[in-house]
Amino acid sequence: NAGVMQNPRHLVRRRGQEARLRCSPMKGHSHVYWYRQLPEEGLKFMVYLQKENIIDESGMPKERFSAEFPKEGPSILRIQQVVRGDSAAYFCASSPRTGGLADTQYFGPGTRLTVL
Amino acid sequence: AQSVAQPEDQVNVAEGNPLTVKCTYSVSGNPYLFWYVQYPNRGLQFLLKYITGDNLVKGSYGFEAEFNKSQTSFHLKKPSALVSDSALYFCAVRGVDSNYQLIWGAGTKLIIKP
Repeated sequence: NAGVMQNPRHLVRRRGQEARLRCSPMKGHSHVYWYRQLPEEGLKFMVYLQKENIIDESGMPKERFSAEFPKEGPSILRIQQVVRGDSAAYFCASSPRTGGLADTQYFGPGTRLTVL
Repeated sequence: AQSVAQPEDQVNVAEGNPLTVKCTYSVSGNPYLFWYVQYPNRGLQFLLKYITGDNLVKGSYGFEAEFNKSQTSFHLKKPSALVSDSALYFCAVRGVDSNYQLIWGAGTKLIIKP
């Protein structure tokens, strides 16, 4: 009964490198959300995806950040040319269906990105 | 505009005493309210939610929350605090205008002292 899985749990990158964060939703869930949490702050919504579709990316920075959720495999959050300000915890959540206001989002353990 | 407020950055409670973590909200229409807990260096764990019906919602680890429509509040409570309850607690709300997006509070750090 695996929950939401994220890997890696910790990722260290040097400025200018690329970071790839992976998220596998709970079994039976087809909707994925990515959030960013800075130290001592709450969660900030980044993007909402369904299989092969980006539903809402209003929280994503306009440059360097992209996300996908292919038909097969995990969802990927990709950060190109990382900068120190990208250092944060990135959380993925999944839910079973869309449009259900009562749906609960279940969170993974997060990936802690450190940019040197 | 939709919003969630957690007015206390930190709440200190002695072990065995009752605890309350406050949350107020502003949404259009009926709210869907959630509480999550985050332990250090961990993800968020779902505690409970209010959808409709009974104003008192019971959740995990002995927590409960009371929905008060007139005061637009959804305070988290526990009759007897444990040291292991020390964590960061987040309130979130979803309304008809936010659809799938959860609107999050800034979080309240709960410290239970032995």
